[in-house]
Amino acid sequence: GQQLNQSPQSMFIQEGEDVSMNCTSSSIFNTWLWYKQEPGEGPVLLIALYKAGELTSNGRLTAQFGITRKDSFLNISASIPSDVGIYFCAGPPSSNYKLTFGKGTLLTVNP
Amino acid sequence: GAGVSQSPSNKVTEKGKDVELRCDPISGHTALYWYRQSLGQGLEFLIYFQGNSAPDKSGLPSDRFSAERTGGSVSTLTIQRTQQEDSAVYLCASSLGGLGTELFFGSGTQLSVL
Repeated sequence: GQQLNQSPQSMFIQEGEDVSMNCTSSSIFNTWLWYKQEPGEGPVLLIALYKAGELTSNGRLTAQFGITRKDSFLNISASIPSDVGIYFCAGPPSSNYKLTFGKGTLLTVNP
Repeated sequence: GAGVSQSPSNKVTEKGKDVELRCDPISGHTALYWYRQSLGQGLEFLIYFQGNSAPDKSGLPSDRFSAERTGGSVSTLTIQRTQQEDSAVYLCASSLGGLGTELFFGSGTQLSVL
């Protein structure tokens, strides 16, 4: 089956620092999605990428769809305590509706 | 409703008992998914419903797991003869359908099998 490798598994940072996490796949993806999950809640979509090379921002978040269509990264600038949570990359492989999820990056922000 | 609603939010059961988990998707969403999330893991696809089409059950881990969707809306995930390894958070999501469309998730049901 499809596999998404997400790194790092966890990050401990100080408030105000920038954060970067990435995801690579073993096959081509047509869409890359980045979700955030807070404790006791379901994942919430942060950014969606639909085109190779696309760079999209949502406030302090920036994500890019890799040119090879097999990778994506998410950057968070000037982190704040409420950024704490688990960040998942996800995507449907080519011509497939089933979202495959990475194992997540647990982000902890120390005030 | 305003979002995807799941019930119960927590379920504790004894090994060997059957459980039913309910999902009420966003009104108008034709696609409905069930995922399972074990501690520290990503989301594992279980089953997908799209409109009146036959569901994709390829992710169900065993024949103890089944799901139905009545009237194209509410869905029930049933686990028969529960085992301890079934303990996980079961997440339901819905979407407007189509490739790459945004999934909206419920808060999940935390299932604990003792």
